[in-house]
Amino acid sequence: QQQVKQSPQSLIVQKGGISIINCAYENTAFDYFPWYQQFPGKGPALLIAIRPDVSEKKEGRFTISFNKSAKQFSLHIMDSQPGDSATYFCAGSSMIKAAGNKLTFGGGTRVLVKP
Amino acid sequence: NAGVTQTPKFQVLKTGQSMTLQCAQDMNHNSMYWYRQDPGMGLRLIYYSASEGTTDKGEVPNGYNVSRLNKREFSLRLESAAPSQTSVYFCASRETGDPQHFGDGTRLSIL
Repeated sequence: QQQVKQSPQSLIVQKGGISIINCAYENTAFDYFPWYQQFPGKGPALLIAIRPDVSEKKEGRFTISFNKSAKQFSLHIMDSQPGDSATYFCAGSSMIKAAGNKLTFGGGTRVLVKP
Repeated sequence: NAGVTQTPKFQVLKTGQSMTLQCAQDMNHNSMYWYRQDPGMGLRLIYYSASEGTTDKGEVPNGYNVSRLNKREFSLRLESAAPSQTSVYFCASRETGDPQHFGDGTRLSIL
């Protein structure tokens, strides 16, 4: 049972286009939603994260949009570049110390940016 | 500054063999985690250690054991490997207020 559902599983976008990845979560105790980027042969690395007290967070070309009532959040990659080709994972976590700060990951989206 | 180091990077085992995956971090983090990554499943938590001396089960603990040897090291042991445990294993560590930092993984194949 996957508590964080991610879509699409893969997408192809032209250089300069917009990549959009969507996630939906079930656990209302989650209060921290990070996105991780993973290149082949490497471990995931934090890209950007959001707390549910804001609806949007932007860092450079990467934006998270958050809809608390719908329990959904999404990653937008603007002006996509070939170097953005990677697998992206959304995740949810409860920041309460007793919960162990465990991350629950979505299934991942493989993004290919064509030059 | 190495961050999170996992050894070995690759391993092939036969069904029934045992092995230990090693993880060490040099960031003085209190919490450490073991995940497995399978296609379409994302990363699933096997075990975690919130602090030195404590360990807890994650989402998929069956078939695994862990040891938090000291603050730096957290090992994952497969006592009797099964083909279903073929996966990529990631170790991570974190400190309160910081994100989890991941190693580069151990690719394990069980024949």
